[in-house]
Amino acid sequence: KQEVTQIPAALSVPEGENLVLNCSFTDSAIYNLQWFRQDPGKGLTSLLLIQSSQREQTSGRLNASLDKSSGRSTLYIAASQPGDSATYLCAVKKGAQKLVFGQGTRLTINP
Amino acid sequence: KAGVTQTPRYLIKTRGQQVTLSCSPISGHRSVSWYQQTPGQGLQFLFEYFSETQRNKGNFPGRFSGRQFSNSRSEMNVSTLELGDSALYLCASRQQGASTDTQYFGPGTRLTVL
Repeated sequence: KQEVTQIPAALSVPEGENLVLNCSFTDSAIYNLQWFRQDPGKGLTSLLLIQSSQREQTSGRLNASLDKSSGRSTLYIAASQPGDSATYLCAVKKGAQKLVFGQGTRLTINP
Repeated sequence: KAGVTQTPRYLIKTRGQQVTLSCSPISGHRSVSWYQQTPGQGLQFLFEYFSETQRNKGNFPGRFSGRQFSNSRSEMNVSTLELGDSALYLCASRQQGASTDTQYFGPGTRLTVL
């Protein structure tokens, strides 16, 4: 059974810092991995999708990497801003069509 | 293009009642998935529909059911509601239902069972 773990569960940093969120998964035979952002009480916003054949994806200040062999992904956020405050979720897709989610990292950027 | 829409946004029901939630996918998307989000269990997969057929189902009791219409809109039904069904129900759509597709989520329906 695929399990996805995100560490840390919560993170608070001052504005302007670069930071890394971690995601690990137990079964490396995945199709892809997706990072999402969720604001309180809201739905999920897709940030980056990395296919199993890719090593990383970039969008603006965000960079996500994937190491299938070690079962790890990282989301790098450069020059953090208060608007980046949200819960960040990673999810993997394997075989069947469902996504398996981690519990998320609650990020707070302090002005 | 308009995003994924879900109605209603908020719902309050009492134990034993039933409820129907609706999801309209992004135009052109044929795959719709449903997820339940609770503080304790996080996000859990309920089921996925593609071209009106259920393709996959999560580990939820039979009280949870769904369907998809020819226009790709989907409904989810929960019968005999229990307190533990209180959750944010999220729907997501994908274009062709391929594993390489990005999933786009709606804002969710917040269900409270009293």
